[in-house]
Amino acid sequence: SQKIEQNSEALNIQEGKTATLTCNYTNYSPAYLQWYRQDPGRGPVFLLLIRENEKEKRKERLKVTFDTTLKQSLFHITASQPADSATYLCALDPYNQGGKLIFGQGTELSVKP
Amino acid sequence: GAVVSQHPSWVICKSGTSVKIECRSLDFQATTMFWYRQFPKQSLMLMATSNEGSKATYEQGVEKDKFLINHASLTLSTLTVTSAHPEDSSFYICSARELAGDHNEQFFGPGTRLTVL
Repeated sequence: SQKIEQNSEALNIQEGKTATLTCNYTNYSPAYLQWYRQDPGRGPVFLLLIRENEKEKRKERLKVTFDTTLKQSLFHITASQPADSATYLCALDPYNQGGKLIFGQGTELSVKP
Repeated sequence: GAVVSQHPSWVICKSGTSVKIECRSLDFQATTMFWYRQFPKQSLMLMATSNEGSKATYEQGVEKDKFLINHASLTLSTLTVTSAHPEDSSFYICSARELAGDHNEQFFGPGTRLTVL
């Protein structure tokens, strides 16, 4: 069956460290993989998109990797700040499904000062 | 960036009543909008895909007669929860897709918290 999984346990790290979040999937062939940030009671906010033929994408302190062999994406936040505390969602954009996104359950990140 | 609004941001209603939620793309045209539902501590679950000028496509297990979707213009989609019951209480979020080159970036609304008493 098709599955997309993120670390279910909350991730607690110290300010200034690098946070690494994992997204694993099975039985999908995604054209793209996207990462979103969601704050409590708010809608998700788009962060980064990576295509299946891209290994890595960077945007400021964010870095995403995409390994279609391992069926895994890693999301890194370097020099983390308390303001980075939120839930981070990965979403697959499979081929030929009209652009609809399949979301993981999210990982809650807490950055302590 | 592109902005999507939702109205209302929260609503409380009695069981058996109907509630309409609006989703608007404010500075771009969206041929496709998506409606999601999110329960506490859970992920977003896609309910339906709404295409301008045509009938919505519902995901398996979503009752189309209960969750009525209308996408009458390129900037507005509405979701009506008919005969709402307490189990329909949830956070409803819409998104709109902007096609730019070969991207598929979606912009999400701020969500609508529905509480059915």
